[in-house]
Amino acid sequence: DIVMTQSPDSLAVSLGDRATINCKSSQSVFFSSNNKNYLTWFQQKPGQPPKVLIYWASTRGSGVPDRFSGSGSGTDFTLTISSLQAEDVAVYYCHQYYSTPYTFGQGTKLEIK
Amino acid sequence: QVQLVESGGGVVQPGRSLRLSCAASGFPFSSYAINWVRQAPGKGLEWVAVIWSDGNTKYYADSVKGRFTIFRDNSKNTLSLQMNSLRVEDTAVYYCVRADGYLDYWGQGTLVTVSS
Repeated sequence: DIVMTQSPDSLAVSLGDRATINCKSSQSVFFSSNNKNYLTWFQQKPGQPPKVLIYWASTRGSGVPDRFSGSGSGTDFTLTISSLQAEDVAVYYCHQYYSTPYTFGQGTKLEIK
Repeated sequence: QVQLVESGGGVVQPGRSLRLSCAASGFPFSSYAINWVRQAPGKGLEWVAVIWSDGNTKYYADSVKGRFTIFRDNSKNTLSLQMNSLRVEDTAVYYCVRADGYLDYWGQGTLVTVSS
């Protein structure tokens, strides 16, 4: 099984500052035949289902503000929020859809400092 | 627009069975793999099962293998999850999630509570 490990578990950032969340997979999630990393970032707010922020490691989802960006390849990935807004308070998850069992990181709780 | 609507959740005693359903609309259902993902109260996300578009290929998390069965009816645009021998630790919100190389559209979820 591919283990997804996020860091940190929680993060407090001031409004307007940068927030960075890391995700490490125990095996590569890069599929060479189509040059894609099967790594997705989700945002989840209380009482709501998760929302896709970033897919293929670096492609922004539909309607996602450009302050959200994803980077990395293989086993190491990063979600960056360039200028934190109040509405970004949420739990963030990374997820691999490379091989079953598909697995999630444990989540990172993002709060306002 | 893409819609996935789960139903069938409720309170059930340990050892009993429950069947969840997911009604899909707004996309060609038979062309997509569909997953079940669950979230225990206050906990993280856990992938449960996937069924590919043709309905013949299925994979399960070890935690539910042998107890849960995923199946679909492409003529009715519905997905189901038959859950047998339920355990307290199966208590969670269960989400129906479409996949297009990644989990792209999620339903609102249905709550399953396993309790005596």
